[in-house]
Amino acid sequence: AQSVTQLGSHVSVSEGALVLLRCNYSSSVPPYLFWYVQYPNQGLQLLLKYTTGATLVKGINGFEAEFKKSETSFHLTKPSAHMSDAAEYFCAVSDRNTDKLIFGTGTRLQVFP
Amino acid sequence: GAGVSQSPRYKVTKRGQDVALRCDPISGHVSLYWYRQALGQGPEFLTYFNYEAQQDKSGLPNDRFSAERPEGSISTLTIQRTEQRDSAMYRCASSYGQGGYEQYFGPGTRLTVT
Repeated sequence: AQSVTQLGSHVSVSEGALVLLRCNYSSSVPPYLFWYVQYPNQGLQLLLKYTTGATLVKGINGFEAEFKKSETSFHLTKPSAHMSDAAEYFCAVSDRNTDKLIFGTGTRLQVFP
Repeated sequence: GAGVSQSPRYKVTKRGQDVALRCDPISGHVSLYWYRQALGQGPEFLTYFNYEAQQDKSGLPNDRFSAERPEGSISTLTIQRTEQRDSAMYRCASSYGQGGYEQYFGPGTRLTVT
């Protein structure tokens, strides 16, 4: 069965600092991989996804993630944090047959001035 | 509409009552998904449809939960004889189809069972 592990339920960074949110997955075959962001009292919004091809994926708001098959990881990064990045971030996987998403438990990002 | 809509946005019900949650997907989206999200957790898959066919209901917790999408558009998730443990945010998503397409999420229905 597929699963997703997000290390660190809370991450705090200073404005302008590097953001690194970790995600590891468990799957017998390379799955589709996603990062979603959830702002307070709002729905989930897709940041980026990996389905095939280039392993470094660029998303919205300056975020990017790299699929590393050997490490079964899909960590999310942003070179310089902005106050508006404060939100909850979810990593998710889906298998190539059903597209149902399996989510991690989320990482809450705080950005300090 | 421009996005996925869900109604009601908030629902408070007494234990033992039945509730029906509605999802109106983006026009033209073939696939529709239901998820449940407890506080402090990620969304958990419940069931999904391609057109009107329910393809996978493996995530439905028990037989009190059911879902339908009779005309391949609007979907209803029904919970019978609600229990307090059913309290959660219920989220609907839709997509163009299978193959890694983005799932667009609605705002959710916050269900509280008292």
